[in-house]
Amino acid sequence: AQKITQTQPGMFVQEKEAVTLDCTYDTSDQSYGLFWYKQPSSGEMIFLIYQGSYDEQNATEGRYSLNFQKARKSANLVISASQLGDSAMYFCAMREGAGQAGTALIFGKGTTLSVSS
Amino acid sequence: DTGVSQDPRHKITKRGQNVTFRCDPISEHNRLYWYRQTLGQGPEFLTYFQNEAQLEKSRLLSDRFSAERPKGSFSTLEIQRTEQGDSAMYLCANHQGAEELFFGEGSRLTVL
Repeated sequence: AQKITQTQPGMFVQEKEAVTLDCTYDTSDQSYGLFWYKQPSSGEMIFLIYQGSYDEQNATEGRYSLNFQKARKSANLVISASQLGDSAMYFCAMREGAGQAGTALIFGKGTTLSVSS
Repeated sequence: DTGVSQDPRHKITKRGQNVTFRCDPISEHNRLYWYRQTLGQGPEFLTYFQNEAQLEKSRLLSDRFSAERPKGSFSTLEIQRTEQGDSAMYLCANHQGAEELFFGEGSRLTVL
């Protein structure tokens, strides 16, 4: 079974609007971490946000927030006030176990976000 | 800039040739990971090091692939007898802090 599922191959949003990118995960571990990365056309993987499985509050980093619903095993990324520069591929990833003692990150297939003016 | 440097950024080679990629991480004494990413896919784990010890290798890492991290500092990934299916972006990543994993800009390999 897929460990990380991103069901939206592509999403379209207008500038200044909010957008939600979906991610569901599958693990039997109690301790795990969830990550979102942005990959522009230039190719570099840019770390956006992290959520630990024991964190009670949803993570936020500037315009990025992670809507963590543990019971549903979902970790959706919300981008508020979209900008043209947000157009990129977005990857959800999971690490099982704790910190640097955990597994390597497992990535989903990604969602392409296109922001229009 | 994550501080993780990869070299070369682009490599074009003929099938059957050997290629080597280098990664210089920020931190010498943390985990260092290699991933491979093909077009339209997410990165796939290849291997990781804790200091100089190679602790895990994916089944994707055939015997034509070898990775080293001498003295727990920089790392190299060598592919021998390249095949067209090896064409991909090879990404190196390094922990900075307890959780965050930061990637280099990648080395793009094209095998003709």
